[in-house]
This record gives sequence, C-alpha cells and structure tokens, in this order.
Amino acid sequence: GAVVSQHPSWVICKSGTSVKIECRSLDFQATTMFWYRQFPKQSLMLMATSNEGSKATYEQGVEKDKFLINHASLTLSTLTVTSAHPEDSSFYICSALKRTTNEKLFFGSGTQLSVL
Amino acid sequence: DAKTTQPTSMDCAEGRAANLPCNHSTISGNEYVYWYRQIHSQGPQYIIHGLKNNETNEMASLIITEDRKSSTLILPHATLRDTAVYYCIVDSGSARQLTFGSGTQLTVLP
Repeated sequence: GAVVSQHPSWVICKSGTSVKIECRSLDFQATTMFWYRQFPKQSLMLMATSNEGSKATYEQGVEKDKFLINHASLTLSTLTVTSAHPEDSSFYICSALKRTTNEKLFFGSGTQLSVL
Repeated sequence: DAKTTQPTSMDCAEGRAANLPCNHSTISGNEYVYWYRQIHSQGPQYIIHGLKNNETNEMASLIITEDRKSSTLILPHATLRDTAVYYCIVDSGSARQLTFGSGTQLTVLP
C-alpha cells in the first residue's frame, strides 16, 4: 500500500510555543491531504482539508489562525500549532488522498503532542 | 454521508474468525463501504472496501448484504496483533473526507 510519513511521532513543548508537524506522501502525489485530531478514547475528528497550492478548508470550530496549514508541494503538507496551550495536547493524524480507480485515503502514523 | 452503527466492543479467540458487523441502513446507491482499523497510538490503516459485491484481500473479507443495509468484516484467523478499533465508514467513493464513528474495539484473546 501507499506510504504516508508523519513527523515527529511525538513532541513535548512549553505553553506558548509553536509546533510544526509534517505529513509526506512518499510514493504518490497527493493534491489533497487531511488533518485530524483525536483525544483519548475518542474517534478521529477532521480539522481541515489541505489542497496543494491553495488555502486549506477548516471545519467548523477549528481556528485557522491557530492551526496553520501549508500544502506547498504535491507530497508535503504541514500543520503548525501556534502558541500551543495544554488544551491543544492531542494525537494529530494526517492522511493523503491517492487517486486511483477508487480514491483511497492513507494515513500517517500520528503525532502525539503534549503541551506543558 | 450515511451513518453507521457498530457494536462498541467484541472479543475473539486467537486463531478463530472475527466477524465484525456494521449497519448502514441509509446508505445511498453510490456509497461504498470502507473499513479501517486503528491500533493504539497509530494512524488508521485501510483494510478493504466494497460497493455491492463481496470483496476479499490479503487482510480480510467484506460481506455486503444484498440490500446493502449492512455488512460484515471477516478476519479469517485473528491474531493478537489484530486487536484494534475497527471503523466502518460509508462514503461516496471519492474517499475524500471520511467521517469516523466510534468504531468497534476488537480484542483478540490468547
């Protein structure tokens, strides 16, 4: 199957700092990537849709100025959590859309963010 | 997208078949049934998907009822590594924006 690489796997940061998470499609081009957030014992919740070369589309309730998304190339999307606070601590997961006869989503391994 | 209903949890003995049900009674004619699983602290993993016909791959089999209102994911010989949350999702086939429900926690017991 296709490979989506997400880095870092985990990060601990101080409150008020910014953290960047990278999502790369290693063996295919992805014009569309998605960012999810998952709190403990809960399901994945879509945060935003990242389109290569254009602005991201955010879900209702997700602050676009806090969660900056950049999709500058067909294989890379980044999520920057700006001025992180403890309530931003969560498991962040990206996915990339591979266009085949039936489009499929492939997911990264996730990033556990802990804000102290 | 249509909603799905899955049992909260299931247990299965190692080596036996695991049958995970999913109800999707409001599925539309152009919507596929996708199955993903998520092992603890990892990203979801694609398992299989289908439209009308039953499907089989190296991981699992997908049985879809004739009226398409329900389906069953079958892991033929469950192993301890199959312990995960299994998500049944219906989507129009573009797979652009999968909506994850609460899924089924499958625990494979030794």
